[in-house]
Amino acid sequence: AQSVTQLDSQVPVFEEAPVELRCNYSSSVSVYLFWYVQYPNQGLQLLLKYLSGSTLVKGINGFEAEFNKSQTSFHLRKPSVHISDTAEYFCAVNKAAGNKLTFGGGTRVLVKP
Amino acid sequence: GAGVSQSPSNKVTEKGKDVELRCDPISGHTALYWYRQSLGQGLEFLIYFQGNSAPDKSGLPSDRFSAERTGGSVSTLTIQRTQQEDSAVYLCASTSQGAWTDTQYFGPGTRLTVL
Repeated sequence: AQSVTQLDSQVPVFEEAPVELRCNYSSSVSVYLFWYVQYPNQGLQLLLKYLSGSTLVKGINGFEAEFNKSQTSFHLRKPSVHISDTAEYFCAVNKAAGNKLTFGGGTRVLVKP
Repeated sequence: GAGVSQSPSNKVTEKGKDVELRCDPISGHTALYWYRQSLGQGLEFLIYFQGNSAPDKSGLPSDRFSAERTGGSVSTLTIQRTQQEDSAVYLCASTSQGAWTDTQYFGPGTRLTVL
């Protein structure tokens, strides 16, 4: 079985400050990692995904994430946030040859002016 | 192009009634997923359809839940004899081929409230 832990349920951050959202996973098989964002009253949108290759993955809206196999982590970062980044962020895994995402509990980011 | 659409956007029902939730995937996408998002359980996988293969129903929480996909396109999730714990946002997603590396494109969800 696989599981995903997002260590922070809420992260308040000031505009133009950096933010890091933590994600750890556990799995007995190789997994592939995703970050999704959910803006208020909207569906989920893919920010970025790690499948293979370079462990630093760049996504949309200036976000990036680093896959660390030894620490089983896939933390999401943005060097300077905007008010529009206020949303809930979900880390997810899909095991190799799997067909369903397992999500973390989500991290709610509130960007303050 | 058009994304995944779901209807209704909101549904309020009484305990014990049956409800049907609809999902229209992106045109041409062969794989379709249903997830449930609730306060207590977070985002959970419910069921997965890929082409003409038998669906993966491993996430359905009880036999009150069922889903079908007609003509390889539109899907309906049916909940019979609704209970208050069924209150949640039901999300549908589709992918172009159902490969585990594919991006899942999500609809806006149906918010179900069971009174």
